[in-house]
Amino acid sequence: GAGVSQSPSNKVTEKGKDVELRCDPISGHTALYWYRQSLGQGLEFLIYFQGNSAPDKSGLPSDRFSAERTGGSVSTLTIQRTQQEDSAVYLCASSFGGRTEAFFGQGTRLTVV
Amino acid sequence: AQRVTQPEKLLSVFKGAPVELKCNYSYSGSPELFWYVQYSRQRLQLLLRHISRESIKGFTADLNKGETSFHLKKPFAQEEDSAMYYCALYGTGFQKLVFGTGTRLLVSP
Repeated sequence: GAGVSQSPSNKVTEKGKDVELRCDPISGHTALYWYRQSLGQGLEFLIYFQGNSAPDKSGLPSDRFSAERTGGSVSTLTIQRTQQEDSAVYLCASSFGGRTEAFFGQGTRLTVV
Repeated sequence: AQRVTQPEKLLSVFKGAPVELKCNYSYSGSPELFWYVQYSRQRLQLLLRHISRESIKGFTADLNKGETSFHLKKPFAQEEDSAMYYCALYGTGFQKLVFGTGTRLLVSP
């Protein structure tokens, strides 16, 4: 497809379980971002990749959160031992980097019960 | 630290009224500012960027470095403008896109 694709679209998980969220960026985009969107919190920056490296992980809320990117393409955001406060929409975006436009995926809605 | 502030969570206006969505930023370097919009059930998408100095869907935004502001304006709001609007900041010093908390614009008939 031509756009940023995220899977799954929706995920309901039990508290304490691990989850993996996937992002397929637009082909050729070197920059990849993960954000969390919560009611009243706006868009919270989580992590940024340039190629396969993550020069900025400052937004990850705790050590339960990790992310990787392989082959300069697909990225996975992993949340271990999920908590109810992790419930949110997780957005991925990609761009050619720098000051260029970021294109967003449709998001993964995570619900921890 | 780099920060984007959108002081209004909700802005409610009537159709035909002028609209101004406020955005202030803090960054000591040379910033690039963007406005992104999310319509109901759609993806977040770019509305406009300051470097282009263009008008999109009747919206304009001027970067005021003295006031560190990038307010979004439209002279006559339309119902289809109802959406969530996010101001974003990019700087070469920190190389990431930082967003504000967003303002929901509601245009009533």
